[in-house]
Amino acid sequence: NAGVTQTPKFQVLKTGQSMTLQCAQDMNHEYMSWYRQDPGMGLRLIHYSVGAGITDQGEVPNGYNVSRSTTEDFPLRLLSAAPSQTSVYFCASSYSIGGAAKNIQYFGAGTRLSVL
Amino acid sequence: DAKTTQPNSMESNEEEPVHLPCNHSTISGTDYIHWYRQLPSQGPEYVIHGLTSNVNNRMASLAIAEDRKSSTLILHRATLRDAAVYYCILGNKLVFGAGTILRVKS
Repeated sequence: NAGVTQTPKFQVLKTGQSMTLQCAQDMNHEYMSWYRQDPGMGLRLIHYSVGAGITDQGEVPNGYNVSRSTTEDFPLRLLSAAPSQTSVYFCASSYSIGGAAKNIQYFGAGTRLSVL
Repeated sequence: DAKTTQPNSMESNEEEPVHLPCNHSTISGTDYIHWYRQLPSQGPEYVIHGLTSNVNNRMASLAIAEDRKSSTLILHRATLRDAAVYYCILGNKLVFGAGTILRVKS
């Protein structure tokens, strides 16, 4: 199994450009999420999905859109990039969420994004 | 969501045990306690989790206080490869704080 695959690994954008960060998992996990990590900081949740067709906002959703048309894929779209979105983005997936469920998340290697 | 409190950083000598504390005084009865670590320039990786009882696996041990308001991640013999940021996380949405930076000295 490849686990969680993120593409691209690196990206440089100009202010105002749009782009999509790709995330795919091959573990048939229901739950997927996107985090951003700024230098010296912990991870902050952007958006998450509990299954195909269902998404919800996390802690810092502004400026980002997501959709979940399949179980495997959870792309993150930046509609109009801003320098404040310069960060490392991590996608994660897990088997389940909710109640007393164990929720072991598997993370991708990250996408390093710079917005000039 | 319940929150966790961890020391900003800790230092250990190689081959010695390391005890990484985490306070979670507002934990609910159904919150699992998860520990992840993040090596430099990598995504976080799962270390261990538990609910009430102490847990052991090949990477570490997790000691959970009887009242569940605190827990301790135990690395039995720290190596240089264990230098990382360690996150203690509760519940389902896995809200990550700043974690504890563990430095291991040779």
